[in-house]
This record gives sequence, structure tokens and C-alpha cells, in this order.
Amino acid sequence: QSVLTQPPSASGTPGQRVTISCSGSSSNIGSNNVNWYQQLPGTAPKLLIYSNNQRPSGVPDRFSGSKSGTSASLATSGLQSEDEADYYCAAWDDSLNGWVFGGGTTLTVL
Amino acid sequence: EVQLLESGGGLVQPGGSLRLSCAASGFTFSIYAMSWVRQAPGKGLEWVSTITGGGGTTYFADSVKGRFTISRDNSKNTLYVQMDSLRAEDTAVYYCAKDSVLSGFDYWGQGTLVTVSS
Repeated sequence: QSVLTQPPSASGTPGQRVTISCSGSSSNIGSNNVNWYQQLPGTAPKLLIYSNNQRPSGVPDRFSGSKSGTSASLATSGLQSEDEADYYCAAWDDSLNGWVFGGGTTLTVL
Repeated sequence: EVQLLESGGGLVQPGGSLRLSCAASGFTFSIYAMSWVRQAPGKGLEWVSTITGGGGTTYFADSVKGRFTISRDNSKNTLYVQMDSLRAEDTAVYYCAKDSVLSGFDYWGQGTLVTVSS
């Protein structure tokens, strides 16, 4: 059981906009920044979004993040086949004194 | 270019010990916190432990507290995790990650597989 809650799966057709949610509590998302990671099949995770809505250099601008209260979301506009991957949200938890992850969402491009 | 290279994984019996290493390059190692994150086969990511840049403060997930020890040698740009009293549920790919306060785990190694089985 993950501390942060994500839907296990999401899907969309090429060009479509897809959103993945991440729900937490006041001790994690409610008081700290949210980061998102993309894990392509068979590879190590990669930082996709940091500090709720910032993109590292090299991440396409079709990926965006937002946070409101104790929830966050990752949006992919203009979905592409190469976006098929697992996506994880994460935040520092002040009560647990450690990082917590969501269970991950598998994004399928139909 | 930032590079993180883990080593030390392998097969170990339940109750046994293993030490993983992570050699870092391409950044000023001593000023960044470093973390271990693991992923059991077919499962999601689980944070394991974090150590501050100077090594003075460490954090552990409850699942490994008292069994794992994290350390670093800033003169060798290397991160370690000593894993004792290993259990079957510790079986996972272990990733080391550069841990930035502002941007989370901004670089990851390729991972090393630890299998705990008799």
C-alpha cells in the first residue's frame, strides 16, 4: 500500500491529452513539492517534473505538472507512442521523515 | 556528464549480508545528498535511505531501519549501503540516485539486482 495514491493505469490515443493524478496528505504533498518520474520499459527511472511543475532540461514541453492542496497531477498533451511508460509521483513526508512514492501508473498509447 | 554506477548486487541467502556501492562522477559529490531506491520485480519504486552531503544525517524507510546502513566516502565519490539480516522481501533492483532538495532524484544509476533466496 503506497502512501501516495495513483491510478494503476491510464491510456489515450496519439495526440490526445492524458492526466495522471496523485493523492496524498498534509504531511507530504500538502507541505512539500511533488516530483514525477518516468520509467520506460527495462530502464531506470528518469526525472520528468520537479517542484510540482518544473521541467528539467530536455523534457518535452508536452509534459506538465500541477499541485493543489494534497493532490497533484501530471498531464501529457499531444500523446506520443514513446510516452508509453510507468509514471510515479513522489514527495518528502514530514511525518515519516522520508520520501514516499505513488504506486505508479502505466500509461498505454492505444 | 553525471554518471552513477552501482555494483555489488547478487544472490544471498536469507539472513545474509551484502554491501552495494555507487560510484559517482560528473558533479561535486560531497555537496549533494544521495539516496537508494529499490524496485521489487514487477513492482513500483520504494525509497530505502538517504544520506546528506557531509554524511552527518541519515534517513531510512521503516522496512529497512535497523538492518541497513548507508554511508559515503567523499574522497572516493562513492555511496554505500550495507544490508544485513536480508529477507526475501528485500529482493529488488537497487538504484542509487543523486538527491537534490529542489529537484528530487535528478539522476539515477542503472541499478543492481539483489536476490535473497535459499
